[in-house]
Amino acid sequence: DTAVSQTPKYLVTQMGNDKSIKCEQNLGHDTMYWYKQDSKKFLKIMFSYNNKELIINETVPNRFSPKSPDKAHLNLHINSLELGDSAVYFCASSAHSSYNSPLHFGNGTRLTVT
Amino acid sequence: AQTVTQSQPEMSVQEAETVTLSCTYDTSESDYYLFWYKQPPSRQMILVIRQEAYKQQNATENRFSVNFQKAAKSFSLKISDSQLGDAAMYFCAYRGPQGGSEKLVFGKGTKLTVNP
Repeated sequence: DTAVSQTPKYLVTQMGNDKSIKCEQNLGHDTMYWYKQDSKKFLKIMFSYNNKELIINETVPNRFSPKSPDKAHLNLHINSLELGDSAVYFCASSAHSSYNSPLHFGNGTRLTVT
Repeated sequence: AQTVTQSQPEMSVQEAETVTLSCTYDTSESDYYLFWYKQPPSRQMILVIRQEAYKQQNATENRFSVNFQKAAKSFSLKISDSQLGDAAMYFCAYRGPQGGSEKLVFGKGTKLTVNP
């Protein structure tokens, strides 16, 4: 009965590879997000989708491409991985995009690029 | 741009005692929401408590309560009767109106240690 689930939990890969992280929510929420948590634990938003439409796109390299096939899924594809991409990536969802709607987070994917 | 500041990188408390974590924020908006999230070593992000700026009454959830000072733009979290399971990173977060793209902005976190 996991509300926001993301896979894989851990991902170890080499520089230059392409990888994807999947996220699904069963809360019936309209809005989904990707956040990046760096080695100092700082959380920063990357993308947000509302009903499959991109509404937030922070300054993220073009190598990162989100894809939302439906409003319950938001996947993150990363091309040409770099050492600096190593981080924990969190998927989240909220009932709607308005500011009074709290975010529910997945358990994170720890990406390690070697 | 809205910013959230947590001035205490680390705090510690004895089990069963009370601890207060500080948070200040910067915004020109009058209505917004503030949140505290907890991140234990398991890495999960757990919503602890939230406060709407228009509500004067401070939010309370069991042993967790906030001291919301709107004029001072301060939003501290008080944990009473601390338990070992409260040990975690605590993040203060702000979310306000941004024309349809209301992102959640986090502070840098406070690492709370609970000593037995």
